[in-house]
Amino acid sequence: ETGVTQSPTHLIKTRGQQVTLRCSSQSGHNTVSWYQQALGQGPQFIFQYYREEENGRGNFPPRFSGLQFPNYSSELNVNALELDDSALYLCASSSSASAYNEQFFGPGTRLTVL
Amino acid sequence: DQQVKQNSPSLSVQEGRISILNCDYTNSMFDYFLWYKKYPAEGPTFLISISSIKDKNEDGRFTVFLNKSAKHLSLHIVPSQPGDSAVYFCAAVDSNYQLIWGAGTKLIIKP
Repeated sequence: ETGVTQSPTHLIKTRGQQVTLRCSSQSGHNTVSWYQQALGQGPQFIFQYYREEENGRGNFPPRFSGLQFPNYSSELNVNALELDDSALYLCASSSSASAYNEQFFGPGTRLTVL
Repeated sequence: DQQVKQNSPSLSVQEGRISILNCDYTNSMFDYFLWYKKYPAEGPTFLISISSIKDKNEDGRFTVFLNKSAKHLSLHIVPSQPGDSAVYFCAAVDSNYQLIWGAGTKLIIKP
């Protein structure tokens, strides 16, 4: 059974640029959630995708957008990057959209915005 | 405003002793709590959870206690082992069925 994978591992961008982060969910999982973890803080919920539809969103601006594909892998897109977007971006997959279900996390993508 | 607070950024415990990690929350509507463990360069992994209808849940060396009146929960690890050295996050499920996370406590187990 393949776990959750994320790419790339690290990324450096400049302010104003756009970035796409990718996540492959664990086999059999139909739900992917994305989190932003700033240094010294806990993960903050960005949004969740369930069967290719957005299913809940945290307090993030519209320049954070996402997609989920028929194989349940997912992308996180961030436009007009700002310095404060520098963080570890985590994706988690689960077998249902319920937050009561265990979520399985990937190792994250470290984004640095200069 | 932080709805889930872990006030100790780090904790050092002797191997074999008990580790107690604390978590406070402000929203009395939270009805389910989880603990995750995170090693460097890895994603968080689920450890143990507790529903608000219980005050204790045990799984091997790990026990979570919930005190609803104090809006406080704690994770006990007995006995502590070197492999327990990690960052521990407390999280709660909010009314939108989203996870609200604390900032984490780094646990260091000394040999």
